[in-house]
Amino acid sequence: DQQVKQNSPSLSVQEGRISILNCDYTNSMFDYFLWYKKYPAEGPTFLISISSIKDKNEDGRFTVFLNKSAKHLSLHIVPSQPGDSAVYFCAASSFGNEKLTFGTGTRLTIIP
Amino acid sequence: DTGVSQNPRHKITKRGQNVTFRCDPISEHNRLYWYRQTLGQGPEFLTYFQNEAQLEKSRLLSDRFSAERPKGSFSTLEIQRTEQGDSAMYLCASSLVAGTNYGYTFGSGTRLTVV
Repeated sequence: DQQVKQNSPSLSVQEGRISILNCDYTNSMFDYFLWYKKYPAEGPTFLISISSIKDKNEDGRFTVFLNKSAKHLSLHIVPSQPGDSAVYFCAASSFGNEKLTFGTGTRLTIIP
Repeated sequence: DTGVSQNPRHKITKRGQNVTFRCDPISEHNRLYWYRQTLGQGPEFLTYFQNEAQLEKSRLLSDRFSAERPKGSFSTLEIQRTEQGDSAMYLCASSLVAGTNYGYTFGSGTRLTVV
């Protein structure tokens, strides 16, 4: 039972354009959402998070949007840079729970 | 602070052998987590410690798996009688604060190959 879904295994974006990565979830108990970035041979690195009481959180070039009614979140990267090429994981947790539930990841390739 | 350190980076073992991995968290972090990542999947939760107490275990952690954090610092994950299905990347992470609001800091993982 995949509670966090990333339906696009890969995405290619021209350098300087906007990258939009999508994530859907099924568990209504999830109230905190995170994005991680992973380079080959490294562990995932925390990027940005959002609480369910918000619908947007911004940090520099990265913005996460949350649509609770649709159980959908997205990560926007603008402008996209070559160093953004990596696998991006969406993750979710519920209040008081230390466990993260991850999606299967989206491989983002930025084309110079 | 060198981050979360995991050893070894790679381990190849024959089916049926026992293996042990080590994780050294960031020194002031009292929470330590183990995750497993198989090909094409995201990391899956295995277990977590607060100091030396193991507070939660996933159903993925069969009786062949055991994790310890004896003094609330480093942790070990042992797999007994390895099977080919155990082949995966084993990730350790640590955090200072409760909950996941600030994200964990992950190590680079130990890649296990069972032949």
